[in-house]
Amino acid sequence: AQSVTQLDSHVSVSEGTPVLLRCNYSSSYSPSLFWYVQHPNKGLQLLLKYTSAATLVKGINGFEAEFKKSETSFHLTKPSAHMSDAAEYFCVVSDPGGYNKLIFGAGTRLAVHP
Amino acid sequence: ETGVTQSPTHLIKTRGQQVTLRCSSQSGHNTVSWYQQALGQGPQFIFQYYREEENGRGNFPPRFSGLQFPNYSSELNVNALELDDSALYLCASSQGTDSGANVLTFGAGSRLTVL
Repeated sequence: AQSVTQLDSHVSVSEGTPVLLRCNYSSSYSPSLFWYVQHPNKGLQLLLKYTSAATLVKGINGFEAEFKKSETSFHLTKPSAHMSDAAEYFCVVSDPGGYNKLIFGAGTRLAVHP
Repeated sequence: ETGVTQSPTHLIKTRGQQVTLRCSSQSGHNTVSWYQQALGQGPQFIFQYYREEENGRGNFPPRFSGLQFPNYSSELNVNALELDDSALYLCASSQGTDSGANVLTFGAGSRLTVL
């Protein structure tokens, strides 16, 4: 069965410093992995998606993630945090059952301080 | 292009009542899926509708049901509401049924409170 574990429930950084949000996955198949962001009162927005092409995936707003099969990890990074990055971030794996079942982690709340 | 719109944005019901939540899919999308997001948790898959039929379901009881209409919009119905049904309900649309290949577009959700 597929699952994801987000290793930090809360992360706090200062504006302009790097962001690291950690995610480990478990999958019996070659997984499709995603990072979504959720701002208050807004829909979930796709940041990036990994589907077995390049292991380093670049997303929107300067975010990127690296797929490491040996470590079963898919950590999200950004070189320099911006105040607008404050939100809830979800690491997600797709269920290979042939329908739109995404399996979400519990989320990491990112706080950005001036 | 218009995104996914959901209504109502907020509602309050009492235990035992029934509720209907509505979703208009993004233009060009033919598949709708519904997720439940309890407070402080990640969303959980409820079910998916494609060609007006349910074709995938998560671990939710039959009192959670849905419809998809010819214009691809959708409804989520929940009967015999329980306190634990209090959550944010998210609708997502896509062009196709494979989440590994297709990008889901999510709406902002309908927040249901059951008293």
